[in-house]
Amino acid sequence: DTAVSQTPKYLVTQMGNDKSIKCEQNLGHDTMYWYKQDSKKFLKIMFSYNNKELIINETVPNRFSPKSPDKAHLNLHINSLELGDSAVYFCASSQTGPTEAFFGQGTRLTVV
Amino acid sequence: GEDVEQSLFLSVREGDSSVINCTYTDSSSTYLYWYKQEPGAGLQLLTYIFSNMDMKQDQRLTVLLNKKDKHLSLRIADTQTGDSAIYFCAESAEYSTLTFGKGTMLLVSP
Repeated sequence: DTAVSQTPKYLVTQMGNDKSIKCEQNLGHDTMYWYKQDSKKFLKIMFSYNNKELIINETVPNRFSPKSPDKAHLNLHINSLELGDSAVYFCASSQTGPTEAFFGQGTRLTVV
Repeated sequence: GEDVEQSLFLSVREGDSSVINCTYTDSSSTYLYWYKQEPGAGLQLLTYIFSNMDMKQDQRLTVLLNKKDKHLSLRIADTQTGDSAIYFCAESAEYSTLTFGKGTMLLVSP
């Protein structure tokens, strides 16, 4: 069973569109994350979220918004996509606190 | 702010040992991690160490932590071509998210 799964794996879209990336975890974890990996492989936290608190990295544009319908899901919605949003986005989950995080396989977003 | 530094590239021959080094600045780091990313794949947790430990061994992997110098290393014994990947060092403080280094690309040649 896949622990953390993201869909789609690849997403190609035009500038200005709105898109969502879905993430689901079946580990019973209470905290989920979104990370962005740029073309140079640098990884940066975008959001962390549990049922009590959303923590947003201040560098993330407000066009990006996480949406959590329940504890097992944290979707990433992006409005008005820009070329610079092209990257690989990783979802992860963990128990609250710095225990190991389990990562999804990533979604490669290409904005054209 | 928090910072994690690693060398960007390491090349070794098959059968040799590989040592990937990492330094971090956050003195409140509680956990230190090594992740592996193969081409086109997600991040795989290899191992992690608590900041009150000096060493952790897991089969071919040995993690050494020098807390005084804020230096972490990952040693891979008998490196194989399948070990070729990018290795990310990461740290987190208590109840905090991970901060990643830029990754070290390990290339293993036959």
